Amino acid sequence: AQSVSQHNHHVILSEAASLELGCNYSYGGTVNLFWYVQYPGQHLQLLLKYFSGDPLVKGIKGFEAEFIKSKFSFNLRKPSVQWSDTAEYFCAVTRINDYKLSFGAGTTVTVRA
Amino acid sequence: EPEVTQTPSHQVTQMGQEVILRCVPISNHLYFYWYRQILGQKVEFLVSFYNNEISEKSEIFDDQFSVERPDGSNFTLKIRSTKLEDSAMYFCASSARPDNEQFFGPGTRLTVL
Repeated sequence: AQSVSQHNHHVILSEAASLELGCNYSYGGTVNLFWYVQYPGQHLQLLLKYFSGDPLVKGIKGFEAEFIKSKFSFNLRKPSVQWSDTAEYFCAVTRINDYKLSFGAGTTVTVRA
Repeated sequence: EPEVTQTPSHQVTQMGQEVILRCVPISNHLYFYWYRQILGQKVEFLVSFYNNEISEKSEIFDDQFSVERPDGSNFTLKIRSTKLEDSAMYFCASSARPDNEQFFGPGTRLTVL
């Protein structure tokens, strides 16, 4: 079945550590890719998105993600996390002419001060 | 900054009862969505709505579900006869165009007893 996979269910880090969250999708054809974040008690917010162009996209709060088409991947990175990055992170995909978001299972990131 | 709002934040109901979940999308958006997340599972697409009609619906969105835009601001999801398995967090989202970022509301937690 076509799907979005996030490799890690729960990641625990110390402040200033680097973060990388994996995301792979199995859809063929052209896709749009998103990372959403949900801070405790808050709603889903867009961190960054890729539609076309430079495969390295920069988002808010120092996050970036790289689209590697050959690997069907869109991994999220941040060089140095802060305690405030504690949240759940969701990778999501839409396809051309099919604009519903298909989400990964989410990764809970806990940053220890 | 404009945002999507949802009411109530938490709804508790008895099995078999009807519930209506309400959403106020961002005012200049034309595309509306409902998603849900059962505890411990992925965020799943339910339905998309444009120009006063359903654009797409998932297998989950059976005859027990309906959506409506009763006036110029509200977008509602009705579940006619709730089941235990309808317990979930329900998210409303809106976008200006179908290929644009979807903005999410804070969600309504529905608990069916």
